[in-house]
Parts: sequence; structure tokens; C-alpha cells
Amino acid sequence: QKEVEQNSGPLSVPEGAIASLNCTYSDRGSQSFFWYRQYSGKSPELIMSIYSNGDKEDGRFTAQLNKASQYVSLLIRDSQPSDSATYLCAVTTPGGSYIPTFGRGTSLIVHP
Amino acid sequence: GAGVSQSPRYKVAKRGQDVALRCDPISGHVSLFWYQQALGQGPEFLTYFQNEAQLDKSGLPSDRFFAERPEGSVSTLKIQRTQQEDSAVYLCASSLGRTGETQYFGPGTRLLVL
Repeated sequence: QKEVEQNSGPLSVPEGAIASLNCTYSDRGSQSFFWYRQYSGKSPELIMSIYSNGDKEDGRFTAQLNKASQYVSLLIRDSQPSDSATYLCAVTTPGGSYIPTFGRGTSLIVHP
Repeated sequence: GAGVSQSPRYKVAKRGQDVALRCDPISGHVSLFWYQQALGQGPEFLTYFQNEAQLDKSGLPSDRFFAERPEGSVSTLKIQRTQQEDSAVYLCASSLGRTGETQYFGPGTRLLVL
């Protein structure tokens, strides 16, 4: 059973702060890692993907992957109230159709 | 271009009623996925199509659930004899290639079974 674990939160940060969202996964063979943002009542939207160990930066977002620790994180710098949403971690394993396994998501609240 | 569309957006069904949910993927996308998302949970995989072939249906919770994509584009998820536990948001996603790596989600159908 492949598992992807996330703290459901909510994580509350002040505007302008760094938000740190964490995700662990159980399958050591996992190769692709994704962060989706989901606003309340809306569908998930892909914001970051990462495939190799280390950091990947895209604007205010940085994804960090540590395969040895089976850990992936998402940092959001200069958090804005518009970043308030649920952030879903998804992991795929090679073979078959790369069907992603999603975590339950972490609710982020950025307060002014 | 147009994204993934789903219809209806909302559906209220009486227990025991059959429902059909439709998904229009992005044109040209080979892979199509159905997910079920309960409140406060992440999407749970239901089934996967590559063109018209249903390659994985391991996530369908019971034989009351059936999905098809007969011409390799539009897909329909059918739920027979709906139960209250079927109440959830049903998400459809499509991706360009066969590996399903980057998925684009539709707005979902919110199903409420009374």
C-alpha cells in the first residue's frame, strides 16, 4: 500500500512569511513528485514538479526532495493571502501508468 | 485552448438512483483519469484510460461503478444504485502522454446522495 502523508493543518502564517509544507511517502521506488494547490470548492492545480534530489525553484515556490529520507517539501516565500488554499502532495512510481498517489493535503492560511 | 470540462457540476440523487458523470478532456490528450475526493481528503484514484482502453480500474470501489471512453475522447463514469457513501466530488484529469505525468484537472462533479 503506497502512502503519502501530510499534516492536515491548518498551517497559519502571517503575510510575508515563509510557509513550509511537508510530505513523506512510503514507496522507495517513487520517482516523480508533485505539489498541487486546491482552492476551496475548486479542482487541483499543478504548481510544482520535482524528479531529482535537491531544490527546484519557481518564483516564490521552492520544492525540496530528499529521496533518502523519503521526504518532499514546498516552501512559499513572501506568502500572500491569495496563497491560502489546500496543498496536495502527489507521488508516482514507475511502471504501469504512473498513477499518482495523493496525500490528504495541508490547509494553509495566510493572514494579513 | 479549452481545459478539461465536466458535467453536471452538481448532482443530487436519491439513494438507489443511477447517475452518469461526463468528462471532456483536453483535445488530443491520450490519458484520462477519474478520481473520487471526499471532504477533507486528497483525490483517490478510480480508473485510468489510455485512449479508449481502460488500463486500470483497480480503484473502483464496487461493481456499481463503471467507466467508459468509447472513442478515446469523452469519458463517462456511471454509478448504479447510488449509496450515501458515494457522496463526494468526482474529478476527471487528462494528460497529453501515456505516462500520465502532468495532469490537468476538470472542475469536478459534486455528487450528493440523499
